[in-house]
Amino acid sequence: DIQMTQSPSSVSASVGDRVTITCRASEGISTWLAWYQQKPGTAPKLLIYDASSLQNGVPSRFSGMKSGADFTLTISSLQPEDFATYFCQQASRFPWTFGQGTKVEIK
Amino acid sequence: QVQLQESGPGLVKPSGTLSLTCAVSGGSISSSNWWSWVRQSPGKGLEWIAEIYHSGTTNYNPSLESRVTISVDKSRNQLSLKMTSVTAADTAVYYCATYQALLGFDSWGQGTLVTVSS
Repeated sequence: DIQMTQSPSSVSASVGDRVTITCRASEGISTWLAWYQQKPGTAPKLLIYDASSLQNGVPSRFSGMKSGADFTLTISSLQPEDFATYFCQQASRFPWTFGQGTKVEIK
Repeated sequence: QVQLQESGPGLVKPSGTLSLTCAVSGGSISSSNWWSWVRQSPGKGLEWIAEIYHSGTTNYNPSLESRVTISVDKSRNQLSLKMTSVTAADTAVYYCATYQALLGFDSWGQGTLVTVSS
């Protein structure tokens, strides 16, 4: 299985801050990576696919990119509704696997 | 996007069989989607279980394949999951979701908590 490792596991930030989360795959996955947002008691929500493509309806403050072996999710200016847990998922090879999550908390 | 609604027993005894259904509305289960089950537990995070295409083609997570069956009922427009020989490690919130190739899981149900306990 392809292992997905996210960092950090949690981050404390304030409204307006720029937040960056990193995900690394245990082997090459091209750009086949998606990012999800999950709020307590709700299902994950797809934010970004193909490493950098924004899903319909997702605010433009969210962005994704690939740099070498690392994938990053950036929230350019954190809003109150962005406090949540974020997961990456590889879509390159079965079985589909997820990162362990990064919790974005209020500072 | 379709709407998905999971249902099934919230409590299953160890060594028993977990059976869940997912009602699909706002679209047909015969559409060009991969229909998936994903579970989430505190210990293992998000774990993809299986997926099925309306044609009947299936893919399973090898770690669960020997215990899991995924199926669709076109007449009822629903998706099903059966997992045998469950243990406490199978306690989780189970989600049904649609999977679009090269995109990801783009629609999710609200999830249903299944506890394995005697």
